[in-house]
Amino acid sequence: AQSVAQPEDQVNVAEGNPLTVKCTYSVSGNPYLFWYVQYPNRGLQFLLKYITGDNLVKGSYGFEAEFNKSQTSFHLKKPSALVSDSALYFCAVRDKGGAGGGNKLTFGTGTQLKVEL
Amino acid sequence: EAEVAQSPRYKITEKSQAVAFWCDPISGHATLYWYRQILGQGPELLVQFQDESVVDDSQLPKDRFSAERLKGVDSTLKIQPAELGDSAMYLCASSSRGTGYGEQFFGPGTRLTVL
Repeated sequence: AQSVAQPEDQVNVAEGNPLTVKCTYSVSGNPYLFWYVQYPNRGLQFLLKYITGDNLVKGSYGFEAEFNKSQTSFHLKKPSALVSDSALYFCAVRDKGGAGGGNKLTFGTGTQLKVEL
Repeated sequence: EAEVAQSPRYKITEKSQAVAFWCDPISGHATLYWYRQILGQGPELLVQFQDESVVDDSQLPKDRFSAERLKGVDSTLKIQPAELGDSAMYLCASSSRGTGYGEQFFGPGTRLTVL
């Protein structure tokens, strides 16, 4: 079965510094990977996805993620953090072989990002 | 910008009572999902619809949960009877038939508290 691991419950970073939120995955075959962000009492917002092609994927709000097949990782990054980036971030992997046409997402447990002045 | 609508946003109920949640997906989206998110965890898929048909309900506790999407548009998720362990955020999401790579759009969720 596919799975996603987010090893850090919380990441703290100063505004203006680069940030990294870690994600590793386990799938059979080629992975389809996603990052979502959740603000308090809100639903999830799509940030970016990796399907194929360039290992560096650019997404919304200045975020990017680097796909590393050998390390089975898909870390989320941003060159310069903002206080407004403080939120809960989820990594997810798509199930290609499951019911429902292979469109089921399996999410990690989430990483709380806190950006301080 | 089109959004997924959910109601109510918050629901408090006593155990053994019945509760229902409503979701209206983005217009034209054929696929609709219901997820449950327990505090401190990631969302977990409960049921997936393609138009009006259920295509995955393997994680839906069918003894107490039911879901329907009668006309292939909006959907209702029901719990009867509610249990203390059902306290969670219930998220609805939708995707268009063409986005086969899993990009899903989420509503704001319904936070359920069972007392």
